[in-house]
Amino acid sequence: AQTVTQSQPEMSVQEAETVTLSCTYDTSESDYYLFWYKQPPSRQMILVIRQEAYKQQNATENRFSVNFQKAAKSFSLKISDSQLGDAAMYFCAFHLNTGNQFYFGTGTSLTVIP
Amino acid sequence: ETGVTQTPRHLVMGMTNKKSLKCEQHLGHNAMYWYKQSAKKPLELMFVYSLEERVENNSVPSRFSPECPNSSHLFLHLHTLQPEDSALYLCASSRAGVPYNEQFFGPGTRLTVL
Repeated sequence: AQTVTQSQPEMSVQEAETVTLSCTYDTSESDYYLFWYKQPPSRQMILVIRQEAYKQQNATENRFSVNFQKAAKSFSLKISDSQLGDAAMYFCAFHLNTGNQFYFGTGTSLTVIP
Repeated sequence: ETGVTQTPRHLVMGMTNKKSLKCEQHLGHNAMYWYKQSAKKPLELMFVYSLEERVENNSVPSRFSPECPNSSHLFLHLHTLQPEDSALYLCASSRAGVPYNEQFFGPGTRLTVL
């Protein structure tokens, strides 16, 4: 069975500071992709960043970066220079290269304090 | 705007009503999904239509019935729902069979069952 665990239901960060959201997952497959999605209040879920499991280099998108530890099955998201617009629910997910299912965690609600 | 629209955005229905949720994607994708999003739970995949093949979560009650007339449209027919079915229902689409593909989400339908 494939599972995704986000152990932090809520997090807060001071504006301009850095915050890390944790995610662990479990799968016996070796070929998959990992994603972080952002869901702002009352707005659509959008992709923040993604990582191919076979790549060792951590993905980076502007202020967003990941720490991917394949052996530990860990995929944390780091947000640098946090902005008020970063306040949202963040979902970790992975997708096997075979099949069409995406597996999501329970989400982490991030509050940015001005 | 992610190219996935859902109507209605909000729906209140009684347990004896019959209603339908609609999803439309304008991205040329060939896979569409229905998810149920409840507080403090992982996104629950309900149904997948991919390359005209349907995959379903066997735990979804029969009071939810999907329909996918073509690759751009997806419906979720609802009948004799229960209060515990109240949730945000999300539609998503993706390109099936393409590695590293992401899902694009609609804004969701907030369903309340009285």
